[in-house]
Amino acid sequence: EAEVAQSPRYKITEKSQAVAFWCDPISGHATLYWYRQILGQGPELLVQFQDESVVDDSQLPKDRFSAERLKGVDSTLKIQPAELGDSAMYLCASSVEAGNNEQFFGPGTRLTVL
Amino acid sequence: DQQVKQNSPSLSVQEGRISILNCDYTNSMFDYFLWYKKYPAEGPTFLISISSIKDKNEDGRFTVFLNKSAKHLSLHIVPSQPGDSAVYFCAASEANAGGTSYGKLTFGQGTILTVHP
Repeated sequence: EAEVAQSPRYKITEKSQAVAFWCDPISGHATLYWYRQILGQGPELLVQFQDESVVDDSQLPKDRFSAERLKGVDSTLKIQPAELGDSAMYLCASSVEAGNNEQFFGPGTRLTVL
Repeated sequence: DQQVKQNSPSLSVQEGRISILNCDYTNSMFDYFLWYKKYPAEGPTFLISISSIKDKNEDGRFTVFLNKSAKHLSLHIVPSQPGDSAVYFCAASEANAGGTSYGKLTFGQGTILTVHP
């Protein structure tokens, strides 16, 4: 069964350091999403890609976060510099297209900033 | 501003009984609703969905009810099984002017369901 892959699964870093997360969506899925889930809350959308283009990054803290999907397949989310409040689960999801509501999620990357 | 709310942080039920998870929303533009289930150390997995043109959708043991006038939806699990123990998230999306989905999901805070044997 096709799955969304994410790495690393866990990341511990010190504040002010740079971190990067990688996501490989299900093959053929044009739309890719990055969500952040703080403990005790639901996932919150950070950025949405349609192929290689960003279609929604309204909730992405652009002073420190960046995301790219250069070839319209896999994607990288970067934080530089990391802050204590960035500790959360970072989830990647993909769907066949933006109009398809069913999103398939990866296992997530648990980030701890010390 | 929490547009999707799950006011019960946790729910505990006995195996074989019904589990009812509730969700309220405030955004009138939401027109598609989904339930996701999440086990520890895994990403959310899609469970069941409902369009705003319906008031009920059923899939095996899982039924979702939508009350548009009350901006309320609920997930019923009958009968509940210990393997159903997980965090359940309600999510919603809205259509754009063209009638297709933006794709963005707005999630509630989640409800931890525990089903006791």
